[in-house]
Amino acid sequence: GQQLNQSPQSMFIQEGEDVSMNCTSSSIFNTWLWYKQDPGEGPVLLIALYKAGELTSNGRLTAQFCITRKDSFLNISASIPSDVGIYFCAANTGTASKLTFGTGTRLQVTL
Amino acid sequence: NAGVTQTPKFQVLKTGQSMTLQCAQDMNHEYMSWYRQDPGMGLRLIHYSVGAGITDQGEVPNGYNVSRSTTEDFPLRLLSAAPSQTSVYFCASSYAVGGPLHFGNGTRLTVT
Repeated sequence: GQQLNQSPQSMFIQEGEDVSMNCTSSSIFNTWLWYKQDPGEGPVLLIALYKAGELTSNGRLTAQFCITRKDSFLNISASIPSDVGIYFCAANTGTASKLTFGTGTRLQVTL
Repeated sequence: NAGVTQTPKFQVLKTGQSMTLQCAQDMNHEYMSWYRQDPGMGLRLIHYSVGAGITDQGEVPNGYNVSRSTTEDFPLRLLSAAPSQTSVYFCASSYAVGGPLHFGNGTRLTVT
């Protein structure tokens, strides 16, 4: 089946640093999504990307749907303590009913 | 709007017991789905529904049943619980197939 390889698995950074994480696949997708999960809660959508080459920002977050359609990255600038959580990439082929998730990147921010 | 509501929040079962995890959404979403989340494995799709009366299997359907009699509700049934079903279960919905998912806050299930 389709798999998303998400890296890094975990990150420990200092407050104020920039963060970058990515997802790669051997399959082509039409939609890429990035979610954040806080402890004890469900994932919350951060950014949705629907077009190859698209670069979208949401505050300090920037995500790109790479032109190959096989990968995507998420950048967080000037990290703050509330950025702590697990970040998931997800993708589908647009018409498919099934969203495939990456295994997550656990982000820890130290003061 | 409450969004996606899951109950219960926590549940402990003995092996062989059955139970139903409830999921309701008030956004008039056509697409609903159930995922399980296990450490190091991300979210895996159990079952999904593209509308009332229509359900289909996901990646890991064995041991689970679903039904969709209304647009709002999508319960997940464990017929005979096994320790391998210890996990956190998330219900999610979307306005359409392929659309971004809205998740509930999860049900943490332990099977002893």
